[in-house]
Amino acid sequence: EVQLVESGGGLVQPGGSLRLSCAASGIAFSESWMSWVRQSPGKGLEWLANIKEDGGVRNYVDSVRGRFTISRDNTKNSLYLQMNGLRVEDTAVYFCARDPSWGAHDYWGQGTLVTVSS
Amino acid sequence: QAVVTQEPSLTVSPGGTATLTCASSTGAVTSGSYPNWFQQKPGRAPTALIYSTNKKHSWTPARFSGSLLGGKAVLTLSDVRAEDEADYYCLLHQGNAYVFGSGTKVTVL
Repeated sequence: EVQLVESGGGLVQPGGSLRLSCAASGIAFSESWMSWVRQSPGKGLEWLANIKEDGGVRNYVDSVRGRFTISRDNTKNSLYLQMNGLRVEDTAVYFCARDPSWGAHDYWGQGTLVTVSS
Repeated sequence: QAVVTQEPSLTVSPGGTATLTCASSTGAVTSGSYPNWFQQKPGRAPTALIYSTNKKHSWTPARFSGSLLGGKAVLTLSDVRAEDEADYYCLLHQGNAYVFGSGTKVTVL
């Protein structure tokens, strides 16, 4: 059974930092591109970043480039999102997803809620 | 980055057909944008339906199909059922990134 389990969400003040994790099982993690996607309350989905199988390529949406860093540890079957300089507008549920082919994003985690507020 | 636009809402009768479109501000959507479609129900993670324009995942019901028409990506829901009531999002490959569409809320009534 495929499982992607996000963790690390919570309440943080504006300007603060948070590190999200995504633990994968049931997939060939080291052979998969992985992505982070978020959804603000009552809003649509926003693709944030992805990372190649070996971590050698990382892509970001403009709104988070320079503030967020995607990384992975294939020895731990884990994906990460380091979020710095958090803003109120970063408040959202953050999902990790596997991308086997050009955006297919076949498997998703249940999401972890990040709330940025003073 | 591109803005990807979908119909905000659509109402369809049970047994009917719903046609959802996905347009890009940068121009015609082509197979090179690798259009993907996702379904999301309230409080749940998205479920992948269609990838690379018209390919189905193993779990995608046969009544869902994807295509390109008139410079847009299209998701067609045939023989609509009550359980198809959900939000639907397209996702396009743009440069080195991806962009989700604004989403379509499908109501079955």
